[in-house]
Amino acid sequence: GAVVSQHPSRVICKSGTSVKIECRSLDFQATTMFWYRQFPKQSLMLMATSNEGSKATYEQGVEKDKFLINHASLTLSTLTVTSAHPEDSSFYICSARRWGPGQLGNSPLHFGNGTRLTVT
Amino acid sequence: AQTVTQSQPEMSVQEAETVTLSCTYDTSENNYYLFWYKQPPSRQMILVIRQEAYKQQNATENRFSVNFQKAAKSFSLKISDSQLGDTAMYFCASDLTGSARQLTFGSGTQLTVLP
Repeated sequence: GAVVSQHPSRVICKSGTSVKIECRSLDFQATTMFWYRQFPKQSLMLMATSNEGSKATYEQGVEKDKFLINHASLTLSTLTVTSAHPEDSSFYICSARRWGPGQLGNSPLHFGNGTRLTVT
Repeated sequence: AQTVTQSQPEMSVQEAETVTLSCTYDTSENNYYLFWYKQPPSRQMILVIRQEAYKQQNATENRFSVNFQKAAKSFSLKISDSQLGDTAMYFCASDLTGSARQLTFGSGTQLTVLP
């Protein structure tokens, strides 16, 4: 079953409004979660790394004031698209790693089901 | 910079046949991890198979296997006995920094299995 839950799956909002997307790890604690953006027929582009209890790390070219990330607990990270514009319309996917014993990278990333954002 | 390259934007295969998807990468690290993810029309990212770079043996998972050539920095995916449900976008991905943190994705290969 799904180990990472992302909500909502679809959202339509008006230009200028803000939208919050939630990413939850269901049965494990995730000190780090990742937010990706995917345009149609393209690959996943990492937007930012969400760190529990500290500031998110944004990739080059991603506006931190535009895409607010909050990781207030070990099981929840939120991405808020502020003052959304039509060009923000995209598919947003979160992921988290369930750490296993032993070596780093022992466990793969688990992805949420994604959120399709449409800004009208 | 770490990069992952998939040179085949689209591929098709007849049902029950075998197909190989190509992936190359670039890194200066010695220990890292490689993955193949499948993204069907539902957009859910599904892990297909993974390989640790320090392991010489190629990973296999039922009908899916990889050909990992570390010196050539190549990591191809072979799908045997292709099924209609294998139709999806396939992404090669890697943790090339060895830090087990974020993944770098290739551009993807759209695979269509034909009946």
